[in-house]
Amino acid sequence: DGGITQSPKYLFRKEGQNVTLSCEQNLNHDAMYWYRQDPGQGLRLIYYSQIVNDFQKGDIAEGYSVSREKKESFPLTVTSAQKNPTAFYLCASSISRYTDTQYFGPGTRLTVL
Amino acid sequence: GENVEQHPSTLSVQEGDSAVIKCTYSDSASNYFPWYKQELGKRPQLIIDIRSNVGEKKDQRIAVTLNKTAKHFSLHITETQPEDSAVYFCAATYSGGSTLTFGKGTMLLVSP
Repeated sequence: DGGITQSPKYLFRKEGQNVTLSCEQNLNHDAMYWYRQDPGQGLRLIYYSQIVNDFQKGDIAEGYSVSREKKESFPLTVTSAQKNPTAFYLCASSISRYTDTQYFGPGTRLTVL
Repeated sequence: GENVEQHPSTLSVQEGDSAVIKCTYSDSASNYFPWYKQELGKRPQLIIDIRSNVGEKKDQRIAVTLNKTAKHFSLHITETQPEDSAVYFCAATYSGGSTLTFGKGTMLLVSP
């Protein structure tokens, strides 16, 4: 778990602004994931990437964008098109797309003012 | 796609009692079932997992059972302690599917 970092821990944003959440891992994992967590909703998949320069939409991708230019980095941008962005965002990684176990970062709590 | 339902949403027990959390899944192809523990404000941490080729797995006070026919699996915690208080999530996937589907979580409260 210590090999996955997210920054910042807390983030405040005004309505209409885009904001980018950082996720970095030094575990040499191929696959990375972004989840959104709301109270009572569990973890919902936003985007995932199985390999560098490739990513797929998850269940709730609307209003979000990602990039995977480097193996160790998978930043998430919350755009102004996301109507209810206040949530706890978790990044995770796994060794490869064929390995099921996912390890989570510490999370970023985003609040829209 | 896969759908995972988890019950109960909250569970209160006395220290030393056992706790059981149950999950059902919809996709009969699913064959990997992890359980995560999340303390308040922290990251989810894997506590135990099971694959469909076994029916039960134990790790000290924690055990998971799987019934493939009924498509449900359960987390059992014995001799609960206050530090077991957390939110527990179940999940399901099939190997090579690359994405986990999570239940909505169970808040476990262990009272001294």
